[in-house]
Amino acid sequence: DTEVTQTPKHLVMGMTNKKSLKCEQHMGHRAMYWYKQKAKKPPELMFVYSYEKLSINESVPSRFSPECPNSSLLNLHLHALQPEDSALYLCASSYDGLAGITGELFFGEGSRLTVL
Amino acid sequence: TQLLEQSPQFLSIQEGENLTVYCNSSSVFSSLQWYRQEPGEGPVLLVTVVTGGEVKKLKRLTFQFGDARKDSSLHITAAQTGDTGLYLCAGLPSGTYKYIFGTGTRLKVLA
Repeated sequence: DTEVTQTPKHLVMGMTNKKSLKCEQHMGHRAMYWYKQKAKKPPELMFVYSYEKLSINESVPSRFSPECPNSSLLNLHLHALQPEDSALYLCASSYDGLAGITGELFFGEGSRLTVL
Repeated sequence: TQLLEQSPQFLSIQEGENLTVYCNSSSVFSSLQWYRQEPGEGPVLLVTVVTGGEVKKLKRLTFQFGDARKDSSLHITAAQTGDTGLYLCAGLPSGTYKYIFGTGTRLKVLA
């Protein structure tokens, strides 16, 4: 199984709603990532979890709240978003062996978020 | 700030032509990946290069990592319409999880 699965594929929400994006992988990867991608731009890193601990937060606004319940799951909780937060949200994972970090990110298909 | 600049930004060519995409940085990376992304989908990994001077071939695609591990190139021979997409390079600085993505090259191959 070499898949990273993201749900939902599409999400439309109002600025007062609370919703969550979910990501799952069963490759035994110990590093998981959230990226945000606007149209025709490269992905921008938001958060990195390593061994279920938050290791990088790229100064993301608190209306985005990540959670890593276990080594296979990664959530992104959304609350009080703005229309400019509309984007493709990508989850990725990579192997993080004790000897170091190998250089391959595996991406999910993304969750297309529209904030009205 | 570490940057990966890709060139060209846009490329529109006829089927059967050859092309090269470049990925350049002033930083050294422990590894570098190339991805292709189609609209509305996540990036799909094409190749990883880790050794300076390394050349990898994947059918009609040839990837090269610079000797100093600061730059890379992707060469496509006899492009096909199925090669159309956004090509992204991504570098991993030593000892970090912070993959740096290139600015992207949007390729369109016309029949």
